[in-house]
Amino acid sequence: DQQVKQNSPSLSVQEGRISILNCDYTNSMFDYFLWYKKYPAEGPTFLISISSIKDKNEDGRFTVFLNKSAKHLSLHIVPSQPGDSAVYFCAASHNDYKLSFGAGTTVTVRA
Amino acid sequence: SQTIHQWPATLVQPVGSPLSLECTVEGTSNPNLYWYRQAAGRGLQLLFYSVGIGQISSEVPQNLSASRPQDRQFILSSKKLLLSDSGFYLCSGSSSGANVLTFGAGSRLTVL
Repeated sequence: DQQVKQNSPSLSVQEGRISILNCDYTNSMFDYFLWYKKYPAEGPTFLISISSIKDKNEDGRFTVFLNKSAKHLSLHIVPSQPGDSAVYFCAASHNDYKLSFGAGTTVTVRA
Repeated sequence: SQTIHQWPATLVQPVGSPLSLECTVEGTSNPNLYWYRQAAGRGLQLLFYSVGIGQISSEVPQNLSASRPQDRQFILSSKKLLLSDSGFYLCSGSSSGANVLTFGAGSRLTVL
């Protein structure tokens, strides 16, 4: 059963514009959420995270928003750059440090 | 900081052959260690995790097994590979008490 869902498999955005990636989860016990970025043939790298006690966390061009009542989080990248073209995974955990991952969203930034 | 090494990077094996993927960790002691698999077009599925030497938990029933013979070594094995075992295998680790996982570069397994 997929507890973390990324319903958009792909996203295409023009360089300089905002990329918005969405993620939904079903397990209300999740209390920590992360976004990972992955290039082909490489392992995922940690991008940004948010605890359930917050609703927003910002790190440079990356901002994660959490809406607990809707069980929804999103990642905003602004401005988008060509190097942002990658697969982005949403992940969630509860206490036990086992991450549940979504299926990923492939972002393509067009010049 | 923690670094995950895993090998081989690419492996092509016939159906029915054995498998051994190795993973070692640098930069932390007593890490939690994980094996994930990314099947084509799918997300990352947790296969095994370990909180200490000799302690292995399996998340999904399958044709694979894992072992942790040393604190910083994690091995994924199979006695007889199936076609469905093909995929991209990722070893990851976290410092005890930390939520963020560090991943290795991955091992691409193709079973023919």
